[in-house]
Amino acid sequence: GENVEQHPSTLSVQEGDSAVIKCTYSDSASNYFPWYKQELGKRPQLIIDIRSNVGEKKDQRIAVTLNKTAKHFSLHITETQPEDSAVYFCAAPEPSGAGSYQLTFGKGTKLSVIP
Amino acid sequence: DTEVTQTPKHLVMGMTNKKSLKCEQHMGHRAMYWYKQKAKKPPELMFVYSYEKLSINESVPSRFSPECPNSSLLNLHLHALQPEDSALYLCASSQVASYNEQFFGPGTRLTVL
Repeated sequence: GENVEQHPSTLSVQEGDSAVIKCTYSDSASNYFPWYKQELGKRPQLIIDIRSNVGEKKDQRIAVTLNKTAKHFSLHITETQPEDSAVYFCAAPEPSGAGSYQLTFGKGTKLSVIP
Repeated sequence: DTEVTQTPKHLVMGMTNKKSLKCEQHMGHRAMYWYKQKAKKPPELMFVYSYEKLSINESVPSRFSPECPNSSLLNLHLHALQPEDSALYLCASSQVASYNEQFFGPGTRLTVL
């Protein structure tokens, strides 16, 4: 099955600085990579995803890059704000039959943005 | 409606109780999932339903029994749980036929005494 490694486990940055979180995956057939943000006591919410036919995707202050050869993908947050403080999970999928798929999550990165 | 709802929000049960968790979505998604999340850990997949049929059971103990009565509803029946089963139980749904966003519900915080 898929194995996803995520680093770092904790990250503290000053407000306005950039944050980078990195993930590696094991299954070269994987072609969809979502990032979820989970605030304390809340549900995981998708913040950005990337498919293997592109190398980078941006949405305002958030970007994701994908290197299929090296089997790694990264989340970049620029101009961090206190409301970016949360746990971030990367994930990779495996088909689970009849059009559904299961997500294997990384262990998570707790991001703290210091005002 | 672009939301997955779950009830109850909190549940405290004894080891001999029987209870059920409920999940509902009205986005027309035909894949639905149960995840278990312990504190400071990522969600762990328990079950996957596709077109109302169970397609994945990740070696979950039989004290957890899933049910998908229709395309909008997913239940998780609980019986004779152990204290180590205390966790946040998350339901999610997605479209089928391609990789698409999995939408998560707010979860049920379960405490087993």
